Amino acid sequence: AQRVTQPEKLLSVFKGAPVELKCNYSYSGSPELFWYVQYSRQRLQLLLRHISRESIKGFTADLNKGETSFHLKKPFAQEEDSAMYYCALPGGTASKLTFGTGTRLQVTL
Amino acid sequence: DAGVTQSPTHLIKTRGQQVTLRCSPKSGHDTVSWYQQALGQGPQFIFQYYEEEERQRGNFPDRFSGHQFPNYSSELNVNALLLGDSALYLCASSYSDGLYEQYFGPGTRLTVT
Repeated sequence: AQRVTQPEKLLSVFKGAPVELKCNYSYSGSPELFWYVQYSRQRLQLLLRHISRESIKGFTADLNKGETSFHLKKPFAQEEDSAMYYCALPGGTASKLTFGTGTRLQVTL
Repeated sequence: DAGVTQSPTHLIKTRGQQVTLRCSPKSGHDTVSWYQQALGQGPQFIFQYYEEEERQRGNFPDRFSGHQFPNYSSELNVNALLLGDSALYLCASSYSDGLYEQYFGPGTRLTVT
């Protein structure tokens, strides 16, 4: 069965510090992976997906098949990055998503 | 385009009752998925509708059922409510080609007392 694990419920960093939000997955096959974000009082929205290999708002994520990981990284955290972040794995048809439990990123001055 | 809309925003029901939640997809989207998000958890997939048929289903009992209308809007029905059904119910829409991102609605907060 496919599974997504986000080991940290809360990650607190100082502004300007590097950020790494961890995501590990269990999936038989070649996975597509997503990071979704939910800012305060906003709806859940797609941040980035591995297939596009793009950087959004300074965030990048590299798929490491050997370690079955898809960690989200940003070199310098900003206050506006404070949000709830979810790693997600499509399954069956690509529209079905399996989410991790989420990590709350708190960026402080 | 208002994006994905859901109604109602909040709902309080009693154990054993039935509830219907509604979702209108983003303009142009033809696929609707429903998720349950319990407090402190990530969204869990309930089922997905495409062309008015249930295309895929997660690990939820038959008390959870749905419907999609010709205009692509959708309903989620839950019968015989349990306290454990209290959660935020999210609707997401997308194109039928699943490589496109899913757009989520604001959710309906269901409280079962």
